[in-house]
Amino acid sequence: AQSVTQLDSHVSVSEGTPVLLRCNYSSSYSPSLFWYVQHPNKGLQLLLKYTSAATLVKGINGFEAEFKKSETSFHLTKPSAHMSDAAEYFCVVSDRGSGGGADGLTFGKGTHLIIQP
Amino acid sequence: DAGITQSPRHKVTETGTPVTLRCHQTENHRYMYWYRQDPGHGLRLIHYSYGVKDTDKGEVSDGYSVSRSKTEDFLLTLESATSSQTSVYFCAIRDRDLGEQYFGPGTRLTVT
Repeated sequence: AQSVTQLDSHVSVSEGTPVLLRCNYSSSYSPSLFWYVQHPNKGLQLLLKYTSAATLVKGINGFEAEFKKSETSFHLTKPSAHMSDAAEYFCVVSDRGSGGGADGLTFGKGTHLIIQP
Repeated sequence: DAGITQSPRHKVTETGTPVTLRCHQTENHRYMYWYRQDPGHGLRLIHYSYGVKDTDKGEVSDGYSVSRSKTEDFLLTLESATSSQTSVYFCAIRDRDLGEQYFGPGTRLTVT
């Protein structure tokens, strides 16, 4: 079984300051982990992914995430927030060892990122 | 752009009526998925398909059925819509890469 916990439902930061969105996961196998972003009234866009290669993953728009197996965490960071980063962010785990055709994608409930001018 | 379209993009329907949502892809992906998105729940898997005529249930499949008669189309049917099925529905395809999925633009369904 797999699960994802996004530790904050809302995060508010000032423009130009660092962003930290926290995600913990649970998986019975070696997971693949993803962050997706959803801007208002839009679809979901893949920000970055971890698939058992480098533990520090770089994504689009300056975002990064670090896979820490000992802490079962995959936190998303960005050094300097921009107004265009305001959106909903989803942490997602894929338990590829579970079998079946769905890949067992499980979504967190989302973190709403607010950027203050 | 992963070549995924959904139709209709918006629909309002009455309780008890059947509704069919269509997902169309242009890139010949084997795996296709239907999710629903509700506030506070993230996305939850309804059904998925791993090939033509091959489908299976996801986490929240009750009240939904699917069909896939050709690779490019994956249909989601609400046999008798209920107000609890008011939601935003997303279709996704899985890239041949490791578990990575790409999403369509979504269909906003309101059941009155």
